[in-house]
Amino acid sequence: GAGVSQSPSNKVTEKGKDVELRCDPISGHTALYWYRQRLGQGLEFLIYFQGNSAPDKSGLPSDRFSAERTGESVSTLTIQRTQQEDSAVYLCASSPSSGSWDEQFFGPGTRLTVL
Amino acid sequence: GEDVEQSLFLSVREGDSSVINCTYTDSSSTYLYWYKQEPGAGLQLLTYIFSNMDMKQDQRLTVLLNKKDKHLSLRIADTQTGDSAIYFCADISGNTGKLIFGQGTTLQVKP
Repeated sequence: GAGVSQSPSNKVTEKGKDVELRCDPISGHTALYWYRQRLGQGLEFLIYFQGNSAPDKSGLPSDRFSAERTGESVSTLTIQRTQQEDSAVYLCASSPSSGSWDEQFFGPGTRLTVL
Repeated sequence: GEDVEQSLFLSVREGDSSVINCTYTDSSSTYLYWYKQEPGAGLQLLTYIFSNMDMKQDQRLTVLLNKKDKHLSLRIADTQTGDSAIYFCADISGNTGKLIFGQGTTLQVKP
């Protein structure tokens, strides 16, 4: 496909379980970002990857959150021991690079509900 | 840290102009953005403005930037029901590409 894809589109889990969210960026995009959008709020930056550089993890809210990226392709966001406050839409975006002007293209998001 | 603030809700009649306002704190912002989010659809870049510009016009959209007051606005002329959505203001954090978003303004367009 031409755009950023994310899976699953919806995930319902029980408190305490681990979840993995997947992002497939646009082919050739070296920068990849994860954001979180809580209900009725704006997007919060979580983490970003740029090529082979060390990822910027400054937005991760706790050590229960981690993310990996394989080369310049797929990324996985993992949340361990999920809590109810983790319920949100998790959005992934990719851009050709991480320059301040490079449009970020967003995926449709994964809606996570923690019961 | 950087912060971006917006009013939460705006209601207009079809055909009127809409003005959505945003303030930001980062004086080193190089680009400021407006994103649109429709129900069931992804976040879409609507327009952007470079920080050395005061105004940018793109068809029905006009972006005004007052860098002294750190105030950004988006004007939509001849607002249509299809413009109903949540509009997010965002700026770039430093030169990292990280976007800092406002809370979003819900625009309701009444027929």
